[in-house]
Amino acid sequence: DQQVKQNSPSLSVQEGRISILNCDYTNSMFDYFLWYKKYPAEGPTFLISISSIKDKNEDGRFTVFLNKSAKHLSLHIVPSQPGDSAVYFCAALDDKIIFGKGTRLHILP
Amino acid sequence: DAGVIQSPRHEVTEMGQEVTLRCKPISGHNSLFWYRQTMMRGLELLIYFNNNVPIDDSGMPEDRFSAKMPNASFSTLKIQPSEPRDSAVYFCASSLGTGIPYEQYFGPGTRLTVT
Repeated sequence: DQQVKQNSPSLSVQEGRISILNCDYTNSMFDYFLWYKKYPAEGPTFLISISSIKDKNEDGRFTVFLNKSAKHLSLHIVPSQPGDSAVYFCAALDDKIIFGKGTRLHILP
Repeated sequence: DAGVIQSPRHEVTEMGQEVTLRCKPISGHNSLFWYRQTMMRGLELLIYFNNNVPIDDSGMPEDRFSAKMPNASFSTLKIQPSEPRDSAVYFCASSLGTGIPYEQYFGPGTRLTVT
């Protein structure tokens, strides 16, 4: 059973608009959450993280929101740029890291 | 730093053959992770090492898979015998630790095809 779920396999967003990537989790013991970004033929790279004691973390164009009561987190990218086209993985940590299956983001010109 | 280095980048082999994937972590990192990525299951953690010692191998699918880390700068993931369902991209990652913050640096992956 998947503990970290990314229910949207893909998402298309117009350049300049906001991209919102969603992630749900089942284990309330997760104490840290991360987002990774992956380009084709490359390994994932760390993007942004959030501790379970916070509800928001911002880094430039990227903001992660955590709603613990709903066991939901989201990554907001604004404004979206062509270079943001990639696969985004949500991950959660208790004693080890568990990744979701990823969402492919397409930024449209 | 060159980052995490994996070899080979691509491997095509026949069912029943032994496959060995190699990884050189970032110098100074003391944790190393092996992942497998497939369309069906996404990115799965197979095993991780801390200070060259295997900590959790619960993700290793079966006894055909084995991993070693003989020293801080080298690790191998071996599949013997290989099967077509092992076809996937295998990533190695390293980090400074297993605690928080928890940033892993991934290699470029090895794309394995078993025919």
